[in-house]
Amino acid sequence: DADVTQTPRNRITKTGKRIMLECSQTKGHDRMYWYRQDPGLGLRLIYYSFDVKDINKGEISDGYSVSRQAQAKFSLSLESAIPNQTALYFCATSVQSTGPYNEQFFGPGTRLTVL
Amino acid sequence: GQQVMQIPQYQHVQEGEDFTTYCNSSTTLSNIQWYKQRPGGHPVFLIQLVKSGEVKKQKRLTFQFGEAKKNSSLHITATQTTDVGTYFCAGPKNGNKLVFGAGTILRVKS
Repeated sequence: DADVTQTPRNRITKTGKRIMLECSQTKGHDRMYWYRQDPGLGLRLIYYSFDVKDINKGEISDGYSVSRQAQAKFSLSLESAIPNQTALYFCATSVQSTGPYNEQFFGPGTRLTVL
Repeated sequence: GQQVMQIPQYQHVQEGEDFTTYCNSSTTLSNIQWYKQRPGGHPVFLIQLVKSGEVKKQKRLTFQFGEAKKNSSLHITATQTTDVGTYFCAGPKNGNKLVFGAGTILRVKS
């Protein structure tokens, strides 16, 4: 979806470097998420945010941090990148809902390689 | 913790053959979602099932939600090359997050 954008789309970096992945959305959604995808492991949640003042750890938050700069922006940082953080990273958004309808809209992904 | 298991991990079919992927949860789900990711693309929402025993169809795709709301399936009739990709199921956790299955990779031989 063009409504959710991620930068950069590809990045190669070295062990120990600090990396920031950015996500922006024009969908007006309150909720934003960061996932990583590894072959055979599906999508695993790193962090999520339900509004600007809300940040929550997901199932694999160690080694990552996030910042919700505005409703439309959610950044993921790797303070000191390591090779096993090589993966495909997706940002996603969803609307706030009191019901079960929490369909998520994904960005195009960032392919990160840590050498 | 809650887990969502998906099988098979990989399936290679001849064009025109049927395909099914199965999703099983360790806990009862309030709903289940299905996503498709084309090669080189990002996951795209297909459908959500909410009711026990629910069956929904989208053209050649049939989605089912088990009576106990702990399993689901996606069946594709007469696969086409446009069906290639990875199919994920996902269930809500703590009402606000999604737990994804590992996905089933579908390849179609023409």
